[in-house]
Amino acid sequence: GENVEQHPSTLSVQEGDSAVIKCTYSDSASNYFPWYKQELGKGPQLIIDIRSNVGEKKDQRIAVTLNKTAKHFSLHITETQPEDSAVYFCAASRAGSARQLTFGSGTQLTVLP
Amino acid sequence: DVKVTQSSRYLVKRTGEKVFLECVQDMDHENMFWYRQDPGLGLRLIYFSYDVKMKEKGDIPEGYSVSREKKERFSLILESASTNQTSMYLCASSLVGGASYTGELFFGEGSRLTVL
Repeated sequence: GENVEQHPSTLSVQEGDSAVIKCTYSDSASNYFPWYKQELGKGPQLIIDIRSNVGEKKDQRIAVTLNKTAKHFSLHITETQPEDSAVYFCAASRAGSARQLTFGSGTQLTVLP
Repeated sequence: DVKVTQSSRYLVKRTGEKVFLECVQDMDHENMFWYRQDPGLGLRLIYFSYDVKMKEKGDIPEGYSVSREKKERFSLILESASTNQTSMYLCASSLVGGASYTGELFFGEGSRLTVL
């Protein structure tokens, strides 16, 4: 089955700096890669996703890049703000199969004022 | 606004007790899920249901069962709770997608279970 590895497990950045979280996956058939953000005391929430037919996707201050050859994808947050502090999870699956979504181990991002 | 509600935010149970975790969604979603969240292990799928009375085992079903008698409600049952089931439990729901679509998961706020 799919195995998703996520690094780093914790990340601290100064407000205004950029943050990068990296994930690798094992199943070359995976073609859908979402990122979820979990704020303290809340459930995870989808913030951005990418499919294997594109290499990069942006939404305001967040972007995701995908390298299918190397089987890794990354989340980039620019101009970080205190409200970006949260746990971030990457995931991978084959499109059309929500059951087969495999999550990474999570990254605790802390944005220092 | 979409909503997944988990009835209990915090529970403390004793070893051997039967535990029910309830989840209700108001979005008419076909799929419902139970995940377990542990530090350093991410989210692991316990059980998945794609329709009323239908269920599939996830990656860690041992020690758990589920019930889905109505479309909006999905229950997780620990028949005999053990200390290694102390964890955060997350319920989620999603629409059924086509072959090229994976439905966004909508999560509840979680139920933190402590088994003494």
